[in-house]
Amino acid sequence: QVQLEESGGGVVQPGRSLRLSCATSGFTFSSYGMHWVRQAPGKGLEWVAVIWYDGRNKYYADSVKGRFTISRDNSKNTLYLQMNSLRAEDTAVFYCARDKGSGYYLNAFDIWGQGTMVTVSS
Amino acid sequence: EIVLTQSPGTLSLSPGERATLSCRASQSVSSSYLAWYQQKPGQAPRLLIYDASSRATGIPDRFSGSGSGTDFTLTISRLEPEDFALYYCQQYGSSPFTFGPGTKVDIK
Repeated sequence: QVQLEESGGGVVQPGRSLRLSCATSGFTFSSYGMHWVRQAPGKGLEWVAVIWYDGRNKYYADSVKGRFTISRDNSKNTLYLQMNSLRAEDTAVFYCARDKGSGYYLNAFDIWGQGTMVTVSS
Repeated sequence: EIVLTQSPGTLSLSPGERATLSCRASQSVSSSYLAWYQQKPGQAPRLLIYDASSRATGIPDRFSGSGSGTDFTLTISRLEPEDFALYYCQQYGSSPFTFGPGTKVDIK
């Protein structure tokens, strides 16, 4: 079955870096756009970044632009989020999600992982 | 950036009742690229509705979506016990792909 599994979360000091991974299975990873979405404790959902199926296009939320980098390795069926210059306000559960669109047309997020917690604290 | 507003913040209803959730956008949502998600405590969100009115795979037909432009609605025709949860709308017509603040449907 289709699965997404995030890893790489943990406790990190402000200003440090962390890389999240999202391992996928059960579908043709290279055919789908992928997103990162985060949720601060007790708060709502915040879209973070998207990468197109071929990795050519990437968009970011203003809150992470210049600090976070989304990437993918289609040979490994894995999505990544490199997070630099972390701040306390980045503390959240980070979810990876599959875009249900095809080709260059994005759509809603139809498959989600269970999330990985990132805590930024000294 | 398109800002989404959801109302009410909390909806208190009994099983079997009809739930009507509203999502209003600060500007027109391109091509009705509006989705609804359900989230339960400790779980990831689940896609219910996409393109404003299309049900996602496996979603019961008691869930329906409608609307266009700036005003959208999620209707649950008869609430089942498992429907008491948080509901988010989201637009994916233009980046950033914003979410609304959510509507909590709880048991009256």
